[in-house]
Amino acid sequence: NAGVTQTPKFRVLKTGQSMTLLCAQDMNHEYMYWYRQDPGMGLRLIHYSVGEGTTAKGEVPDGYNVSRLKKQNFLLGLESAAPSQTSVYFCASSYESGGYFEQFFGPGTRLTVL
Amino acid sequence: GIQVEQSPPDLILQEGANSTLRCNFSDSVNNLQWFHQNPWGQLINLFYIPSGTKQNGRLSATTVATERYSLLYISSSQTTDSGVYFCAVGPREAGTALIFGKGTTLSVSS
Repeated sequence: NAGVTQTPKFRVLKTGQSMTLLCAQDMNHEYMYWYRQDPGMGLRLIHYSVGEGTTAKGEVPDGYNVSRLKKQNFLLGLESAAPSQTSVYFCASSYESGGYFEQFFGPGTRLTVL
Repeated sequence: GIQVEQSPPDLILQEGANSTLRCNFSDSVNNLQWFHQNPWGQLINLFYIPSGTKQNGRLSATTVATERYSLLYISSSQTTDSGVYFCAVGPREAGTALIFGKGTTLSVSS
């Protein structure tokens, strides 16, 4: 099992450009999440999904959109990138079974917006 | 929302020393995880421990849910233990996100 994978690993954008980050998991997990990590801080939730076709906003959703068309994939879109979106983006997935839902994280995508 | 506080913020150790990292949280949770973020930025799952005690090699963790804290113990530290240790908690709702503390930065020198 590859676990949680993210594409791309690195990206540099100019202000105003758009891009999509792809997260894929092969563990058949229902729940998927996008977080961002800024220097000296823990991770903060951008958006999440509790199942195929459903998405919800997290703590810092502005400037991002997401889609979950397939259970194994969760896409994060930046429509018009801004320097404030320079960050490391982590995707995670989890499942719930009898109150147990440990989250598993991908390797991260380092995004720089100039 | 739930507040997560980790202490100490920074820790410097000599190889072979032991350490205790603490995580306090402000409300009931049904998920608590400890992570190690290595110098390359990878987040490594250490423990899923909403309550009780677990051990994995030189690392162990204890969560006292009724008193809203968790402890991570590192024994006989090695240089490879360096990095940032995060505590993250999940509110009592399935499928919601983890709330992360700001982390403890550990530096182990030889």
